[in-house]
Amino acid sequence: QVQLQQSSPGLVKPSQTLSLTCAISGDSVSSNSVAWNWIRQSPSRGLEWLGRTYYRSKWSNDYAVSVKSRITINPDTSKNQFSLHLNSVTPEDTAVYYCARSNWGFLHFDYWGQGTLVTVS
Amino acid sequence: DIQMTQSPSSLSASVGDRVTITCRASQTINNYLNWYQHKAGKAPKLLIYGASNLQSGVPSTRFSGSGSGTDFTLTISSLQPEDYATYYCQETYSTPYTFGQGTKLEIK
Repeated sequence: QVQLQQSSPGLVKPSQTLSLTCAISGDSVSSNSVAWNWIRQSPSRGLEWLGRTYYRSKWSNDYAVSVKSRITINPDTSKNQFSLHLNSVTPEDTAVYYCARSNWGFLHFDYWGQGTLVTVS
Repeated sequence: DIQMTQSPSSLSASVGDRVTITCRASQTINNYLNWYQHKAGKAPKLLIYGASNLQSGVPSTRFSGSGSGTDFTLTISSLQPEDYATYYCQETYSTPYTFGQGTKLEIK
């Protein structure tokens, strides 16, 4: 059974960097048949996919255009986890952040982390 | 970006009712359409992937999905108390994998 456990930073000041980690159990961050994603949810923007990292002989990332200039998603193979870094945050980045695994068939998000509320204030 | 439009945005129904939620994509997405159930304070739960494939563990007697191209439907055949939640469609045809705005299903 795959489980994703998110860290919980809580409060971030404007202009600083939001950092979250997602620890994976029951699968490997280096698996070549899945991808590892970050999604957020806010009342104003709904559910919004932010980006993903995945391994297919080499590591690759894809990011949403809306955050592309500010986001980095990194795998950590030694700890079997992946991280989200979003810099220059504003109150608009206040949201519940989720990590999720996507399967390489229909790219559906089959396992999710528990969610972390991040407030920018 | 592909736009996903769900209807209705909210719905009141009784236990035992049959409920249908629709999702329309702004361009063809073949069958790259997924449905999720979301309850407050919990992570979204995958119900249907690839438009009509039931995720393991989801009751097949109640949940089904259909459609292709741009128009899709989620059907709950006989509402149970645990089905009251918000439902989202999502396209995974192209990034940024847009979600619909959600359909809140409430007890009548």
